[in-house]
Amino acid sequence: KAGVTQTPRYLIKTRGQQVTLSCSPISGHRSVSWYQQTPGQGLQFLFEYFSETQRNKGNFPGRFSGRQFSNSRSEMNVSTLELGDSALYLCASLAGTGNEQFFGPGTRLTVL
Amino acid sequence: GIQVEQSPPDLILQEGANSTLRCNFSDSVNNLQWFHQNPWGQLINLFYIPSGTKQNGRLSATTVATERYSLLYISSSQTTDSGVYFCAVVSNTGGFKTIFGAGTRLFVKA
Repeated sequence: KAGVTQTPRYLIKTRGQQVTLSCSPISGHRSVSWYQQTPGQGLQFLFEYFSETQRNKGNFPGRFSGRQFSNSRSEMNVSTLELGDSALYLCASLAGTGNEQFFGPGTRLTVL
Repeated sequence: GIQVEQSPPDLILQEGANSTLRCNFSDSVNNLQWFHQNPWGQLINLFYIPSGTKQNGRLSATTVATERYSLLYISSSQTTDSGVYFCAVVSNTGGFKTIFGAGTRLFVKA
């Protein structure tokens, strides 16, 4: 069974631009969560989607948004990029609440 | 919200030594996982352990949910064990949410 895939793996943007990251969960998994990892803040929860519905959101500004499609693939979007958005963005999939999470390899975003 | 604390923050071991990493959490949780993050950033699943004890080779983990802590044991450490170990807990209070600890950075010397 294929694992969680994330695209692109690396991305360089400039301040003010917007970016879209993609995550394909493990086949059959309906939940996708997104996380931001920075050296200063560690791993922080962004949001979680289940069956195309956002069930929970972390403490991030409205510039961070996401969605999930009917095939469970998810995208997250960051608008008006700031230098502080430079981070490793990780997504995780799980079959349902209370199950084990599996992470993708991440997208490393650099904002110049 | 739930607080997750990991200790120690940093650990240096000689190859072959044993170690214990600890994860304390402030409220009841639905599940708990241990991960190892490799140098490329990939989070590798070690244990899914909301309670009880599990073993996988040189690694084992124990979670005592009633006392709100989990332990990860590494025996006969190898240089390839180096990296950052994270504990993550899941709470369904107020919606599904995963909270990570700050991690334990382990360096194993040859």
